[in-house]
Order: sequence, then structure tokens, then C-alpha cells
Amino acid sequence: GAVVSQHPSWVICKSGTSVKIECRSLDFQATTMFWYRQFPKQSLMLMATSNEGSKATYEQGVEKDKFLINHASLTLSTLTVTSAHPEDSSFYICSARRTVSNQPQHFGDGTRLSIL
Amino acid sequence: EDKVVQSPLSLVVHEGDTVTLNCSYEVTNFRSLLWYKQEKKAPTFLFMLTSSGIEKKSGRLSSILDKKELFSILNITATQTGDSAIYLCAVLNQGGKLIFGQGTELSVKP
Repeated sequence: GAVVSQHPSWVICKSGTSVKIECRSLDFQATTMFWYRQFPKQSLMLMATSNEGSKATYEQGVEKDKFLINHASLTLSTLTVTSAHPEDSSFYICSARRTVSNQPQHFGDGTRLSIL
Repeated sequence: EDKVVQSPLSLVVHEGDTVTLNCSYEVTNFRSLLWYKQEKKAPTFLFMLTSSGIEKKSGRLSSILDKKELFSILNITATQTGDSAIYLCAVLNQGGKLIFGQGTELSVKP
């Protein structure tokens, strides 16, 4: 079955640090990956759509300079939270969908980011 | 604005009970509706529904879509404590975006 790997699973760091999160599709190619953010007891909110070889598409209200997305290959997308502050603390989840299919998105295990 | 609404938001039942979770939607360019189960980590896929009236079944879980009335239900029979989780309904639009509902938090007591 389709597997999406996300790393790291948990990060604790000081305010002002930049944090990079990786999302890999392990057994399929994904031209499109998605980045979500989830607050406690709330649903997933789409932040941006990551497209291989081109710029990411950000949802309204998401700062593109704050959340840098790079989709350098068909199996890897990265999200960098730049100069993170406590309000950026959240659960970040990526998902990927097979390039050519009507298959559902498969999610990584998520990254819990805590900024002190 | 596209929206997906789930009800109830939370539910507490006892083992052996049957539960029905609801999901209604207003989404332009609908493509399909998906159900996910989320425990401590990221959501795991349960069902994808594209056509009305065709029930999808997996063990004690089943789901059906009504595209005329714009809703779906997820049924769980003979619930077990391991069914405790947040159940997320999401609609996939033609652009490939998933729009999530708020989720239903199910707690199954022994």
C-alpha cells in the first residue's frame, strides 16, 4: 500500500529557530503533496499545495515567506518554518497522492512542533 | 465558500453499541467524499465514495453517499474500545484539494 513518511515526528526548539520538516512518498511518485496544520481538537487546515518542479500554492492567510515549501523531486517535499515563534507551535501533517490515479491522499504521521 | 460539517462533534458509547456519524457538505466541483480515522497521529484512510447509493463496507464499518442531499454517513456496528478516535470526513474537489470537516470524536467505553 501507499506509504508516506514524515520526519521528524517531534521537534522542540527555541523561538527564532528555523525548522525543516520532510515528507517522502516511499513507494510511489507524487507530483503533488499537501501540507496541513492541525490545532488541538480541531480539524486539518490546508496550508499549501506543493507541486514538483514549481512554486507551491498557498492558501489564503498563510505566509509564504514564513512557511517555505520545496518540492525538489517526485518523492520529497519539505516545509521550513522560518524564525519560528510560540504561535507556530502546532501539529503539521503532509499528504501525498499518486501522480496519475483517483487514489485518496495518504498522510504522513505528522510532526508535532513546540516552540519555547 | 466550500464547507464540510460533521455531527455530532463528540459521542460517547459503550462497547457493542452501533453508531452513525454524519457528514454534510457544500462544495463546488465535488469529486469524491472520504472518511478517515485519526488516533494519536495522522489520519488513516477508511473509505472513498464517489457514487450515490453504493455502500462501501469494511468489517464493522460501512459508509454511503447521497449526492442529491449532499451528505454521507459512517456506520460502526458492535463498537470496540479500539474504535475510539476522531473520525474525519473530507470532500475532494476537482482541483484535488481536500476540504475537511471538524471531525467527530468517538469514545467507546468498556
